[in-house]
Amino acid sequence: DVKVTQSSRYLVKRTGEKVFLECVQDMDHENMFWYRQDPGLGLRLIYFSYDVKMKEKGDIPEGYSVSREKKERFSLILESASTNQTSMYLCASSPTLGQMNTEAFFGQGTRLTVV
Amino acid sequence: AQKITQTQPGMFVQEKEAVTLDCTYDTSDQSYGLFWYKQPSSGEMIFLIYQGSYDEQNATEGRYSLNFQKARKSANLVISASQLGDSAMYFCAMGDNAGNMLTFGGGTRLMVKP
Repeated sequence: DVKVTQSSRYLVKRTGEKVFLECVQDMDHENMFWYRQDPGLGLRLIYFSYDVKMKEKGDIPEGYSVSREKKERFSLILESASTNQTSMYLCASSPTLGQMNTEAFFGQGTRLTVV
Repeated sequence: AQKITQTQPGMFVQEKEAVTLDCTYDTSDQSYGLFWYKQPSSGEMIFLIYQGSYDEQNATEGRYSLNFQKARKSANLVISASQLGDSAMYFCAMGDNAGNMLTFGGGTRLMVKP
């Protein structure tokens, strides 16, 4: 079974803190994604990576950065957390470039609250 | 740019009845994929069904079927014989023609009544 693991289910951070959200997948997938989920807005793509050290901006990259130093790990970084970044964050991975019929596999989500 | 619209924020269905969750999309790509995911209250995203833009047959997976109408740009999910465990958020998503990024709709919360 594919497993995508996010390091925390719940996080509470203070405004201005630097926050790291970690995601690890164990199936040698090339693609990894970070989404943010807010009520009524669905999931919005923050960043994705199709290879080690490669990254692409999604729809809402402002205020976030990412790091992919190893194929299995994709980190989302909030350089200076703000209250409007309070949300559910979902990591996902998918195996192969160029195949449309391959679904993405998701982690269990991290609910981040910035106070 | 791709866009997915789910116009039903919430729906009720009686147990054992069928229900249709609406999804319309907009894209300039000729090749694309459409996905439905289920998200129970526990938070994980569960893949349900996939439809490719060139697939001639509507996709089916057990009690799930996808009513794909390409000309109308709609990809509605039909759940037959609803069960209490079907109560969840349901998301429609579109994959780009490189098979990389997914664009999600806003979701529909389905509630199954006993």
